[in-house]
Amino acid sequence: GQQLNQSPQSMFIQEGEDVSMNCTSSSIFNTWLWYKQEPGEGPVLLIALYKAGELTSNGRLTAQFGITRKDSFLNISASIPSDVGIYFCRLNTNAGKSTFGDGTTLTVKP
Amino acid sequence: NAGVTQTPKFQVLKTGQSMTLQCAQDMNHEYMSWYRQDPGMGLRLIHYSVGAGITDQGEVPNGYNVSRSTTEDFPLRLLSAAPSQTSVYFCASSGQRNQETQYFGPGTRLLVL
Repeated sequence: GQQLNQSPQSMFIQEGEDVSMNCTSSSIFNTWLWYKQEPGEGPVLLIALYKAGELTSNGRLTAQFGITRKDSFLNISASIPSDVGIYFCRLNTNAGKSTFGDGTTLTVKP
Repeated sequence: NAGVTQTPKFQVLKTGQSMTLQCAQDMNHEYMSWYRQDPGMGLRLIHYSVGAGITDQGEVPNGYNVSRSTTEDFPLRLLSAAPSQTSVYFCASSGQRNQETQYFGPGTRLLVL
């Protein structure tokens, strides 16, 4: 099956810093999704990407669908303490199946 | 409108015990799914349903049963719990087939001793 690598595994940053995380896959996919999971909660969708090269923003969050359709990154600008959580990428295929990345745990120090 | 609700929030079982994790949604969604999340990993699909009376296996179905007698409810049954089933379980529902419309419940933490 396809391999999906998400990095980094964890990040410890100072409030106000920018954050970048990415996911790469071994195969081409049609949709990239980015989620945030807060402690004790289920994942919440942040951004959905549908086309190669697509760049989409949601407030301080920006995500891009790589040109090769095998990678995506998520950036968070000017981090704040409430950005703390686990961020997941997720790939969807035309067959309705999907794979989650292993997550990037973000800690923001005030 | 409560969205997706799961009960219990936390459960401890002994090996070999059975239990049912409850999931309900009040959004009249056709699609419902169960996932498990292990430490340091993403969610993995256990079973899913595309409508009342229809269920199918996901990526990691062994040891779990599901049924979908109503649109609202999608219980997950552990027939004989094993320590390997210690995990956090999430139920999700969506009104369309595409996953980007999914709403996730708050999760059930299960510890099997």
